[in-house]
Amino acid sequence: DTEVTQTPKHLVMGMTNKKSLKCEQHMGHRAMYWYKQKAKKPPELMFVYSYEKLSINESVPSRFSPECPNSSLLNLHLHALQPEDSALYLCASSPIPTGVAGGNEQFFGPGTRLTVL
Amino acid sequence: KQEVTQIPAALSVPEGENLVLNCSFTDSAIYNLQWFRQDPGKGLTSLLLIQSSQREQTSGRLNASLDKSSGRSTLYIAASQPGDSATYLCAVRSWGNDMRFGAGTRLTVKP
Repeated sequence: DTEVTQTPKHLVMGMTNKKSLKCEQHMGHRAMYWYKQKAKKPPELMFVYSYEKLSINESVPSRFSPECPNSSLLNLHLHALQPEDSALYLCASSPIPTGVAGGNEQFFGPGTRLTVL
Repeated sequence: KQEVTQIPAALSVPEGENLVLNCSFTDSAIYNLQWFRQDPGKGLTSLLLIQSSQREQTSGRLNASLDKSSGRSTLYIAASQPGDSATYLCAVRSWGNDMRFGAGTRLTVKP
């Protein structure tokens, strides 16, 4: 299996809802990432997990809560989101985290299109 | 903080032309540079990865070069095809898993 999968593909939620995005990879990668991408903008890094531990949080609001239950799975829990949080949420993985042997290629999933009403 | 710039923002060419996309970055202390392709509303597809010690990488009709000292990379696409139409993004990885993307070049190849 050489891909990153994300579910759901589309999600519509109200501002009071609680939902979760899921990302999975079975390539043995030990670094996983969440990015947010607004329309016609480049992806912006949100969180990085290295060896299942949170290593980077790019000052993301607490209404976004990441979780890495195991080396293959990454979740993003959403609560009390705002309409401006509507975006494409991308998950990525890489074999080893940057800073170890020069850093490796990132592989991206297809994304979850989130709409907050 | 690393700043990544891509020029041009948009490019339209007839089928069969060779073309060059440019990427520049402000901090030369990078681990690697990666070129991606993104179709509308889709995820990113990795095209080429150049480590900081390398000068270029090739894959099929694609060739990417890296001049770390001047903070520049180019993506060369030979014999362009309509299927190459997409947004091309370069991303630079610096210390601590910090990956910064350029704004992208939107390429249209006309039949």
